[in-house]
Amino acid sequence: GEDVEQSLFLSVREGDSSVINCTYTDSSSTYLYWYKQEPGAGLQLLTYIFSNMDMKQDQRLTVLLNKKDKHLSLRIADTQTGDSAIYFCAADNQGGKLIFGQGTELSVKP
Amino acid sequence: DTAVSQTPKYLVTQMGNDKSIKCEQNLGHDTMYWYKQDSKKFLKIMFSYNNKELIINETVPNRFSPKSPDKAHLNLHINSLELGDSAVYFCASSQDVSRRNEQFFGPGTRLTVL
Repeated sequence: GEDVEQSLFLSVREGDSSVINCTYTDSSSTYLYWYKQEPGAGLQLLTYIFSNMDMKQDQRLTVLLNKKDKHLSLRIADTQTGDSAIYFCAADNQGGKLIFGQGTELSVKP
Repeated sequence: DTAVSQTPKYLVTQMGNDKSIKCEQNLGHDTMYWYKQDSKKFLKIMFSYNNKELIINETVPNRFSPKSPDKAHLNLHINSLELGDSAVYFCASSQDVSRRNEQFFGPGTRLTVL
């Protein structure tokens, strides 16, 4: 079955760019998603990318997809303390199931 | 105007008890889900219903029984609670089961079994 992996922690300084990486195994995944989870809250969809795209930009967020290597990244420009959260990568598979990575805890230091 | 709501937010109970968690969505979506998030933040799907019909049933003990009285509600009943059931349970919904499966999550229910 699908396996989605992320590094567990990332620490950056306020104003720097953050890059969160994700790898997945199922090449038939059609959509790939990034969700954000703030402490004590549910997951909030940040952005998604269709598998035939290489890049998608949405304000401070840039998603890059390397389909050959099955590698997805989320870049947050000008990272702010309010961006501190856990970021989950997710890939779809057959039957409407989303497979989530372990989550990357982003810590932004002033 | 909460999109996906769950009750209760916190649930503390003794081992062996039976408890329910309720979920409601007002987005007009056809599909609803239950996820379990463990202490390491790992998120795993448990069940999914589409128009009140069960479509995903992962390897979950049969002490867990979802019930969907209508497509806006998906409740989770847990019998004979065990220590290992302690986790945060998230309900989610999506328009349908198409491949573009944008899911909206509730705020979670933190279950603690003592």
